[in-house]
Amino acid sequence: KQEVTQIPAALSVPEGENLVLNCSFTDSAIYNLQWFRQDPGKGLTSLLLIQSSQREQTSGRLNASLDKSSGRSTLYIAASQPGDSATYLCAVRTSGTYKYIFGTGTRLKVLA
Amino acid sequence: GAGVSQTPSNKVTEKGKYVELRCDPISGHTALYWYRQSLGQGPEFLIYFQGTGAADDSGLPNDRFFAVRPEGSVSTLKIQRTERGDSAVYLCASSATPTDTQYFGPGTRLTVL
Repeated sequence: KQEVTQIPAALSVPEGENLVLNCSFTDSAIYNLQWFRQDPGKGLTSLLLIQSSQREQTSGRLNASLDKSSGRSTLYIAASQPGDSATYLCAVRTSGTYKYIFGTGTRLKVLA
Repeated sequence: GAGVSQTPSNKVTEKGKYVELRCDPISGHTALYWYRQSLGQGPEFLIYFQGTGAADDSGLPNDRFFAVRPEGSVSTLKIQRTERGDSAVYLCASSATPTDTQYFGPGTRLTVL
């Protein structure tokens, strides 16, 4: 059974810092992995989707890496801004399924 | 274009009542998913539709929960005899095909008193 863990649960950093959010999963037979952002009381916004054959994806100040063999993904946020404050969720789709298994998220606060 | 929409945005009901939650997927998307998110948790999968049929309903917690998608577009999640533990945000997502990115709606916040 796939399980997804995110560390840390919460993070508070000053504006301008580079930061890394971690995601680990127990079953390495994945189809893809997706990072989402969730603002309070809102739905999920997809940030980056990494297919199982890829090692990393980049979008603007965001970079996500994937290491299937070790069951890990990281989301790197460069030059953080107060507008980055949100909960970041990692979701894994195991091969042979169509559903995502989510971690519990990292709650990020960037201080101005 | 329009994204996934869900109605109502908030629903307050009493224990034991029946509720229906509606999801309008992105036009043309064949795959539709329901998830449930409790406070402080990540979303949990409930059910997946491919077209009109439920291809995977392994996440439905018990037989009080039922979902339909009769014409392969709009879906309704139905909860009978609601319990306080059913209180959560119910999220709907759709994708063009089962292998494509899932786009999420804003959710329906269900509160059972």
